[in-house]
Amino acid sequence: DTEVTQTPKHLVMGMTNKKSLKCEQHMGHRAMYWYKQKAKKPPELMFVYSYEKLSINESVPSRFSPECPNSSLLNLHLHALQPEDSALYLCASSQAWGGDEQFFGPGTRLTVL
Amino acid sequence: EDQVTQSPEALRLQEGESSSLNCSYTVSGLRGLFWYRQDPGKGPEFLFTLYSAGEEKEKERLKATLTKKESFLHITAPKPEDSATYLCAVRRAGNNRKLIWGLGTSLAVNP
Repeated sequence: DTEVTQTPKHLVMGMTNKKSLKCEQHMGHRAMYWYKQKAKKPPELMFVYSYEKLSINESVPSRFSPECPNSSLLNLHLHALQPEDSALYLCASSQAWGGDEQFFGPGTRLTVL
Repeated sequence: EDQVTQSPEALRLQEGESSSLNCSYTVSGLRGLFWYRQDPGKGPEFLFTLYSAGEEKEKERLKATLTKKESFLHITAPKPEDSATYLCAVRRAGNNRKLIWGLGTSLAVNP
């Protein structure tokens, strides 16, 4: 199984809402990532979890709050987002942080009204 | 400054017309170079990892090669289903493990 799954596929939220994005992998990978991708741009790293601990926070605003409940699951909690936060949010995993290839999920298309 | 540059930005081919995409990089020590394919609105799909100059990898109609300054993704006899954006990323040697991404090449293959 080389699959990373993400839910929901699409999400529309207002600026006062609280929502969560979910990601799951069953490849036994110990590193999981959140990326944000805008149209015609490459993925932009937001957070890295290594062995369920937050290793990297790329100066992401606190309205984005990551959580890693166990080695297979990764969440991204969203609160008080801005319209400019609308983007494709991608989850990825790899054997280890700084290890080889990262495998990406299908993404969540987020629209903030 | 570490940088990854992909060319061309966009490429339109006729079905069966072979071509190459380029990824040139300047990093202080290469730990690995990665090729991904991305369809619109979907996550990147991993294609290849290359580690050292002279290395080559193949998958169906795609072949990736690596030199000390650049990588090529050769597409032989492309089909319309090869239409996608192809992204290149590199990882530096050392403690900074972030991927450095190029902006991608958008490939369209006409039937």
